[in-house]
Amino acid sequence: QSALTQPASVSGSPGQSITISCTGTSSDVGGYDYVSWFQQYPGKVPKLVIFDVNNRPSGVSYRFSGSKSGNTASLTISGLQTEDEADYYCYSYTSSSTYVFGSGTKVTVL
Amino acid sequence: QVQLQESGPGLVKPSQTLSLTCAVSGDSISSGGYSWSWIRQPPGKGLEWIGYIYHSGGSAYYNPSLRSRVTLSVDRSKNQISLSVNSVTAADTAVYYCTRLSNGVFDPWGQGTLVTVSS
Repeated sequence: QSALTQPASVSGSPGQSITISCTGTSSDVGGYDYVSWFQQYPGKVPKLVIFDVNNRPSGVSYRFSGSKSGNTASLTISGLQTEDEADYYCYSYTSSSTYVFGSGTKVTVL
Repeated sequence: QVQLQESGPGLVKPSQTLSLTCAVSGDSISSGGYSWSWIRQPPGKGLEWIGYIYHSGGSAYYNPSLRSRVTLSVDRSKNQISLSVNSVTAADTAVYYCTRLSNGVFDPWGQGTLVTVSS
């Protein structure tokens, strides 16, 4: 199985909105709503920010939202803040009962 | 609140077997119908899913790229999960995380343990 495709980097100014895409196939992203997103700071454990395409865990800022269209899922961060500068990873369940991660996106706050 | 703690050798020689355990506290592995998974991250690189195993230990699913070298197991008497990777190379150098899997969600995670493959 191939890693889901994410842009290597996305940047934005404070207060702006950015969107990170996560593209797979009909056998993973397009076929299931088990798509989630993690935020990871350097040297830290990944933190879940979105699960099941568009659900936020308790305690995660409302500025994080998720969506999916066809074989592409997206994570949007609105009102970008300096603390949002981190790496972001998507993952999806697959038709083989396995999981596959995205390649990761580095978010830079300008 | 469930907590996970990985442990094992930090250094493994090439061609040998990497063995890690994940101690679960705050809940019984056998309860709740959860699965348990391992994920790794090579230094400076992205996350890679390794596999997951049902709480019963009866079924396990592996990353196709690692399936021939990886084995997961459950020890319910010790409330821990184990990972074994054989014939390791430098490419297996990574931080290894264990995590609980429920309805498609990996949460929570252990703190991770760095394993270096080197002679």
